[in-house]
Amino acid sequence: GNSVTQMEGPVTLSEEAFLTINCTYTATGYPSLFWYVQYPGEGLQLLLKATKADDKGSNKGFEATYRKETTSFHLEKGSVQVSDSAVYFCALSDAGGTSYGKLTFGQGTILTVHP
Amino acid sequence: DADVTQTPRNRITKTGKRIMLECSQTKGHDRMYWYRQDPGLGLRLIYYSFDVKDINKGEISDGYSVSRQAQAKFSLSLESAIPNQTALYFCATSQRRDSEQYFGPGTRLTVT
Repeated sequence: GNSVTQMEGPVTLSEEAFLTINCTYTATGYPSLFWYVQYPGEGLQLLLKATKADDKGSNKGFEATYRKETTSFHLEKGSVQVSDSAVYFCALSDAGGTSYGKLTFGQGTILTVHP
Repeated sequence: DADVTQTPRNRITKTGKRIMLECSQTKGHDRMYWYRQDPGLGLRLIYYSFDVKDINKGEISDGYSVSRQAQAKFSLSLESAIPNQTALYFCATSQRRDSEQYFGPGTRLTVT
């Protein structure tokens, strides 16, 4: 079956530090990959996505590249801000497999950025 | 106005009570989903519906039921609530099988 594994948190950084959150996946088909962000007290919102191998998703200074050879979709940001403090979820949607487009989520990584 | 709304936002109930969580959307999407979020476990799918006549169990459907009253409305029921159903519940919608999902703000449910 499909699965997503994220690096364990919590992650604590100082403002302007470099961020990497690792994500690897297992899928039976050809998944689309997503990063969602959850700010305190809110629902999840899409941060970025990639739909095929070697695609790079980017938004708000965050980037992630779909690496089929390593089955990875690591999230990076060159300089984090306090406002980036949130929970980050990696997810896949396996449209071509038997899961009919359902999302499979990683366990989430809590990021805290200090001034 | 929010595209995906959930009511109530917070609910405390007692063991054995029946409770319904409601979700409405104005995005015109056919696909709707219910997830629960527990610390350290991410989000897990409870039920999903691809149209009004199509409802499917997710990975953790035991103890839950759903109703798709219309394209825009998808309700989750706990027939007899138990304490380990204490969690944050999210409704989501999507347009196609490979597209992003749009989430509601969540309902925090506590079963005492």
